[in-house]
Amino acid sequence: DVVMTQSPLSLPVTLGQPASISCRSSQSLVYSDGNIYLNWFQQRPGQSPRRLIYKVSNRDSGVPDRFSGSGSGTDFTLKISRVEAEDVGVYYCMQGTHWPRTFGQGTKVEIK
Amino acid sequence: EEQLVQSGGGLVQPGGSLRLSCAASGLIFSTYAMSWVRQAPGRGLEWVSTISTSGGSAFYADSVKGRFTVSRDNSKNTLYLQMSGLRDEDTAVYFCARGDRLVDVWGKGATVIVSS
Repeated sequence: DVVMTQSPLSLPVTLGQPASISCRSSQSLVYSDGNIYLNWFQQRPGQSPRRLIYKVSNRDSGVPDRFSGSGSGTDFTLKISRVEAEDVGVYYCMQGTHWPRTFGQGTKVEIK
Repeated sequence: EEQLVQSGGGLVQPGGSLRLSCAASGLIFSTYAMSWVRQAPGRGLEWVSTISTSGGSAFYADSVKGRFTVSRDNSKNTLYLQMSGLRDEDTAVYFCARGDRLVDVWGKGATVIVSS
């Protein structure tokens, strides 16, 4: 199975400051069609996951532009340019290239 | 509005069975693969199963293979997860989600508690 390793697992951030979450995969996530199926999800307390980013860097409709995704091959990053109070929650990366689909352990973002 | 409305969770004894349902509205259900993802208490997300648009292909996590069966009724816009041989470690919130490689729309989740 492809192991998705996120770091850090806990991320205390000051409001208005940037935040960055790393996600590394144990194998390349490049699919035979040339796409990289790496998604990022936000899960606020008590809510279902919400997709923020798909295929590494494509922001979903309605997602603030302070969220951005980047990366290639096996190394990916989610960045929040200026953290707001509503960004508190757990963030997960997920790969959709290989079976079984796998998620990272999650990174808990909290306000200092 | 695209929605997935879940039902069917509950308390079940070890070894028992339960069926979860996920009714889609506001989307063309038959054109999407569908997936199940679960979250044990205080834990992260775990992919469980995916079914193709027609229902002709299904994929399972090793942890549930042979015990869980995913199915769909495109005439009713509904996804199912039949769970049998339930174990304590199957206790979780089960989410249905639209898609396979690019899961996007999620249901609110159904809680399954396996306990004697």
